[in-house]
Amino acid sequence: GEDVEQSLFLSVREGDSSVINCTYTDSSSTYLYWYKQEPGAGLQLLTYIFSNMDMKQDQRLTVLLNKKDKHLSLRIADTQTGDSAIYFCAESRRNRDDKIIFGKGTRLHILP
Amino acid sequence: EPEVTQTPSHQVTQMGQEVILRCVPISNHLYFYWYRQILGQKVEFLVSFYNNEISEKSEIFDDQFSVERPDGSNFTLKIRSTKLEDSAMYFCASRGGGLAKNIQYFGAGTRLSVL
Repeated sequence: GEDVEQSLFLSVREGDSSVINCTYTDSSSTYLYWYKQEPGAGLQLLTYIFSNMDMKQDQRLTVLLNKKDKHLSLRIADTQTGDSAIYFCAESRRNRDDKIIFGKGTRLHILP
Repeated sequence: EPEVTQTPSHQVTQMGQEVILRCVPISNHLYFYWYRQILGQKVEFLVSFYNNEISEKSEIFDDQFSVERPDGSNFTLKIRSTKLEDSAMYFCASRGGGLAKNIQYFGAGTRLSVL
């Protein structure tokens, strides 16, 4: 079946790195995403990675993909108070008419 | 930067009433979607729409739901007779083609409250 799992909460001190982990079940996943949702706001696409890639870096964000273990992670370097949000891991598959399957989201809490 | 626009931001309705949620996708996009997020739960796919017809729909998208692209810019989700359990945040998304083929851009959402 199609499922995406991630831990619900993460607390990190300001200035430290945050690592949010995710696992998925669909081995045919083609695209993997990280979306950010701030309180009362919509879903902001942070970054995505194709399934034939191992890593993608974009400024403070690093995405690592272990396709064998179906494990995706998002590392946020130098975490700031503005990073406080819910982070959704998600996946889609080209021949599944590209609907996106989301995890339940990880709430990132920044400690002063 | 182009964005997906949804109106209203918050809709309050009585159980059994019809509601129409409106979305203006990014102008050159061709694929449109509705998702919903019940409070505290994950975002769930409802329906995808392309070339003026539904491409795929989930089990949630029953006969009470319908979608329409009435003109060249709007994409609407109608719920004919709302139930309490329809209370949720509804997100519209759209995508184009080319290299960003599978990148869906989401609106800020409409919070539907059914009383």
